Amino acid sequence: ILNVEQSPQSLHVQEGDSTNFTCSFPSSNFYALHWYRWETAKSPEALFVMTLNGDEKKKGRISATLNTKEGYSYLYIKGSQPEDSATYLCASGQDAGNNRKLIWGLGTSLAVNP
Amino acid sequence: KAGVTQTPRYLIKTRGQQVTLSCSPISGHRSVSWYQQTPGQGLQFLFEYFSETQRNKGNFPGRFSGRQFSNSRSEMNVSTLELGDSALYLCASSATGISGNTIYFGEGSWLTVV
Repeated sequence: ILNVEQSPQSLHVQEGDSTNFTCSFPSSNFYALHWYRWETAKSPEALFVMTLNGDEKKKGRISATLNTKEGYSYLYIKGSQPEDSATYLCASGQDAGNNRKLIWGLGTSLAVNP
Repeated sequence: KAGVTQTPRYLIKTRGQQVTLSCSPISGHRSVSWYQQTPGQGLQFLFEYFSETQRNKGNFPGRFSGRQFSNSRSEMNVSTLELGDSALYLCASSATGISGNTIYFGEGSWLTVV
């Protein structure tokens, strides 16, 4: 199983900017793509779970898309706020016969300056 | 509704010892999965338990084991601790499992091996 890769590794934006991150994953044996938001000293917080090619999900100012054929997902944040500062993780669900695993990327660290 | 609870939150062990970590899932959730977080490797999937049975497994050595009780509480055990086992151990619960469903994380147990 190949790695899940996230880019960029870190990002600094100004309040009000819109931004997006990429998660690349192996398209073979795929079953689900998870996005999580992880603030320092807190638990990772679920944002989206997507399973179908072309899925688009939205939660407030945050949205995500999924392309399972080419193996990527985008996370968009519109009008970034300082409280959006966190590490954004994606995880790809890989199905290897009778064993399913969640393979995690290293995350994109977002800092929003007021 | 109470969240996922992990105990202990912090512990220090000596090389060669063993450690047991505990996880109480959200009420009604039958799946508990475990993850190791280290700075260089990111989040890595250890295993998932569902209704007292290990359902899915990551690529960790046999020193890492777990179990789940009839009330869905889970324990993870690491035997013959090595320095490299120092990490944040997270557990997560889900109603039906890691297969395309949202998983909810606890705050983690910080293990330091000296």
